[in-house]
Amino acid sequence: ETGVTQTPRHLVMGMTNKKSLKCEQHLGHNAMYWYKQSAKKPLELMFVYSLEERVENNSVPSRFSPECPNSSHLFLHLHTLQPEDSALYLCASSQAGGTTGELFFGEGSRLTVL
Amino acid sequence: AQSVTQPDIHITVSEGASLELRCNYSYGATPYLFWYVQSPGQGLQLLLKYFSGDTLVQGIKGFEAEFKRSQSSFNLRKPSVHWSDAAEYFCAVGAFSSNTGKLIFGQGTTLQVKP
Repeated sequence: ETGVTQTPRHLVMGMTNKKSLKCEQHLGHNAMYWYKQSAKKPLELMFVYSLEERVENNSVPSRFSPECPNSSHLFLHLHTLQPEDSALYLCASSQAGGTTGELFFGEGSRLTVL
Repeated sequence: AQSVTQPDIHITVSEGASLELRCNYSYGATPYLFWYVQSPGQGLQLLLKYFSGDTLVQGIKGFEAEFKRSQSSFNLRKPSVHWSDAAEYFCAVGAFSSNTGKLIFGQGTTLQVKP
């Protein structure tokens, strides 16, 4: 596999469920990101991990819990979500400290909260 | 604070016509600028990027963009649009530190192509 892979592609969950989104990158990068994409809104940066350490948390509610066990994997654990959390969640990776600055995105996980 | 504005939420052009998508940014230093495209149900794909040097940059799929510092703009252009170009386009400015490459995105412009 190449690039950035996200699973599942679609997820429907109730407000009391606990689920996780998974992201895996095969690009040898060492920085990973979670973005939230809601309809008619700019992409919102949620979390940034560099060298497996969380370096940014943009005031995201605690019902979203990220985990980065190694430089290739990133998870977003979800619990007691609200209907307004329904969105496309995009994972991205980059080479931290690199000069290009380009982010490589996965295809996203479409989350629906009932 | 860094920000990106894409004034046009939705644009419709005829196939074969030229295209220009507008992007204005606010950034305190020399910006790193990007255009990404997102087809329905897909992630974002990089079209082109500007870091320094020539202010006219070429990208994939026949797209180009011009950096104009005096106007704080980075408009995307294509001389002849194809039906497959229908998608959502995002302009972004890079806010980089020594350990991360954070991008600030505009709201996006949806492109519709008429046959």
